[in-house]
Amino acid sequence: GAVVSQHPSWVICKSGTSVKIECRSLDFQATTMFWYRQFPKQSLMLMATSNEGSKATYEQGVEKDKFLINHASLTLSTLTVTSAHPEDSSFYICSATGTTEAFFGQGTRLTVV
Amino acid sequence: AQSVAQPEDQVNVAEGNPLTVKCTYSVSGNPYLFWYVQYPNRGLQFLLKYITGDNLVKGSYGFEAEFNKSQTSFHLKKPSALVSDSALYFCAVRDMKGTGGFKTIFGAGTRLFVKA
Repeated sequence: GAVVSQHPSWVICKSGTSVKIECRSLDFQATTMFWYRQFPKQSLMLMATSNEGSKATYEQGVEKDKFLINHASLTLSTLTVTSAHPEDSSFYICSATGTTEAFFGQGTRLTVV
Repeated sequence: AQSVAQPEDQVNVAEGNPLTVKCTYSVSGNPYLFWYVQYPNRGLQFLLKYITGDNLVKGSYGFEAEFNKSQTSFHLKKPSALVSDSALYFCAVRDMKGTGGFKTIFGAGTRLFVKA
């Protein structure tokens, strides 16, 4: 099946700094990618839809100025958590869709200290 | 709106016994249904999908699921559980809106514990 690669797999940063997470579709082009957030022992919640060459679409309640999304090419979307705070600590997962099913990155564990 | 429900937070089963993880769905139109598995601190792995065709769908690692239209269910099953099957399982449905990509809507997840 298709491969979606996410980097880094884990990151620890200090409060107030910014962190960038990359999501790449390795063997197919993805005009649309999705970013999810998962809290411990909870399901995945969609944060935003990343559109190649245009602005991302954010779900209700997600701060677009805090979670910056850039989809500059057909194989790369990035999520930047700006001015990170401890409450931003979470597991972030990206997704790209094939013809019928979605493929997911391996996730990024962000810890803000 | 498309949605799925997983009524059980946790399922416990002994190794070698059959397992079932339940999922019910609510969709408008024909459903695209999926099962994913997540191991600790890992992304999601695709197990199987139902789009159309046979109601019994076979997937990875010996898992299968039965699409039941009258009961709006898509339960995940395996004839003989392994300890290594212990993980978090998500039922999901494709949001049919939009073009160029689609949202995946997840159930709350069911944690499966297989005891040796």
